Amino acid sequence: DGGITQSPKYLFRKEGQNVTLSCEQNLNHDAMYWYRQDPGQGLRLIYYSQIVNDFQKGDIAEGYSVSREKKESFPLTVTSAQKNPTAFYLCASRDRPNSNQPQHFGDGTRLSIL
Amino acid sequence: GESVGLHLPTLSVQEGDNSIINCAYSNSASDYFIWYKQESGKGPQFIIDIRSNMDKRQGQRVTVLLNKTVKHLSLQIAATQPGDSAVYFCAENTQTGANNLFFGTGTRLTVIP
Repeated sequence: DGGITQSPKYLFRKEGQNVTLSCEQNLNHDAMYWYRQDPGQGLRLIYYSQIVNDFQKGDIAEGYSVSREKKESFPLTVTSAQKNPTAFYLCASRDRPNSNQPQHFGDGTRLSIL
Repeated sequence: GESVGLHLPTLSVQEGDNSIINCAYSNSASDYFIWYKQESGKGPQFIIDIRSNMDKRQGQRVTVLLNKTVKHLSLQIAATQPGDSAVYFCAENTQTGANNLFFGTGTRLTVIP
């Protein structure tokens, strides 16, 4: 089945540690997105990528980094500079950046601090 | 289970009744709208969408209504079932910028058996 796979489902970070969240899609979509979800809030955009080897900062990019070396992969690194990383992280993809088609989501990674 | 949206608006309905979930959007130039369902601990799941040249669109047990005059979107679920319990949120698609999809905060629907 085509879809988006996020791993791991749960992740724990120690102080001063960088951690990387994986996102893989086999939908042949050009655009990919990372969102952060906190209780009582909507999805907040961290980074997005319109095409391979390109990515743009979203609304809350500080303390995060991404890469887009392959079309199907868009990993997110939560760096030690992100002081409040505990959240539910969602990856999404879309066929094209500005298309009138829905974004498709993975099942998320929950990151907690040890 | 996971807690997503602890302070969301809530709606409780009896099993078998119809549910109506509302959403106000912000940009009069938005031309495409999506409803998502998010179950606890999972990612949002696409339910139905509608383009701005339509007022109504029906799916299986769901109907979306769009009122552009007052910038209002609603999702109607017929014969609500326990499996419909989830957080529902709308998204609006503007035509500005490279990232043009904006999400609401959601409504938690609880179905009472």
